[in-house]
Amino acid sequence: SAVISQKPSRDICQRGTSLTIQCQVDSQVTMMFWYRQQPGQSLTLIATANQGSEATYESGFVIDKFPISRPNLTFSTLTVSNMSPEDSSIYLCSTGGGTDTQYFGPGTRLTVL
Amino acid sequence: EDQVTQSPEALRLQEGESSSLNCSYTVSGLRGLFWYRQDPGKGPEFLFTLYSAGEEKEKERLKATLTKKESFLHITAPKPEDSATYLCAVQAISGSARQLTFGSGTQLTVLP
Repeated sequence: SAVISQKPSRDICQRGTSLTIQCQVDSQVTMMFWYRQQPGQSLTLIATANQGSEATYESGFVIDKFPISRPNLTFSTLTVSNMSPEDSSIYLCSTGGGTDTQYFGPGTRLTVL
Repeated sequence: EDQVTQSPEALRLQEGESSSLNCSYTVSGLRGLFWYRQDPGKGPEFLFTLYSAGEEKEKERLKATLTKKESFLHITAPKPEDSATYLCAVQAISGSARQLTFGSGTQLTVLP
């Protein structure tokens, strides 16, 4: 199974600022996914990030708000832009790779004041 | 649209009291059904993948089963360390991306 790390593990940010979350995988993977988990809720897919192509966003999520980079097969970043308190959530990355099973990182807990 | 419904939302058991969690799903074509365990403040931890009706998987006190419409996670003689939120997710055959659709989870508390 893939080992995934995320930075930062948590952050408290001011309204109107942006935060970039990093996701590092210990092996090369084709697909990486970014999820949001709002307080007391389940996981909602934000976007799918393939290396060498533009990220694919799910309904309700746009690139201007959640720009994603995927510079190589082991790394991705998600930026939460122009934050508001409604963006307070746990942000999780996961890998799909060549298998069906997805493994998740530990998450980034974001609080926006 | 793929949908996953989990029940109950919360379950409290005494240590040793066996029970089952339910995951009902609708999907255009099922590629796989996944069970995860999530502890507070952590990312989901993979437990099982089921691919076809009739399939069963076991791990310690947990057993997952699958029918054409639902999956069950059976917990036999649970211990307090089994306390967590259990998430069910489906992956559809359609499309090229293998994204998961998650249910809202069952929060399990096992009392000593």
